[in-house]
Amino acid sequence: AQSVTQLDSQVPVFEEAPVELRCNYSSSVSVYLFWYVQYPNQGLQLLLKYLSGSTLVKSINGFEAEFNKSQTSFHLRKPSVHISDTAEYFCAVIEGGFQKLVFGTGTRLLVSP
Amino acid sequence: EADIYQTPRYLVIGTGKKITLECSQTMGHDKMYWYQQDPGMELHLIHYSYGVNSTEKGDLSSESTVSRIRTEHFPLTLESARPSHTSQYLCASSGSLGVGQAFFGQGTRLTVV
Repeated sequence: AQSVTQLDSQVPVFEEAPVELRCNYSSSVSVYLFWYVQYPNQGLQLLLKYLSGSTLVKSINGFEAEFNKSQTSFHLRKPSVHISDTAEYFCAVIEGGFQKLVFGTGTRLLVSP
Repeated sequence: EADIYQTPRYLVIGTGKKITLECSQTMGHDKMYWYQQDPGMELHLIHYSYGVNSTEKGDLSSESTVSRIRTEHFPLTLESARPSHTSQYLCASSGSLGVGQAFFGQGTRLTVV
């Protein structure tokens, strides 16, 4: 079975600072990787995904993630965060033909002024 | 904007009561899911459905049951609530297009006293 590890439960940063949220997955032949975001009192939303092709994928709000097969990682980065980026971020991987999403434990990003 | 709705958003109920958490989607998605989310813990898949009259148990054992009589509706029932059922329950759906593109409801926070 696939598994996802998010090493940091909480990441505090100052506004306009860069941030990296780490995600490692268990190795498999083919991997589909995702980052979901959960803003306070809201449901999860897809932030970005890697299915194939370019290993660097980007979201519309400035986040990017790079698929690194040799390190089995899919870290999420943003060069300059805003207060509004404060949220819980979940890394996920697809498992099986049914396309079940397997989630990590989440990383709470806290952006302060 | 995701068209998937969960009711109630919050529920406090006494031990031994029967409860049903509602989940409806208007996107015509064939796949639907229930996840259980505890603070600081990963989301655990407890039930999923391929389509009408199809339901399967997820990775985390749960005393809850589900039904899928209509495409748009995927309710979760607890026959006799216990304090150990206290958690957040998230419903999601996905269509045949968009691998991993699951749409989530806002969740139901259940407290059993």
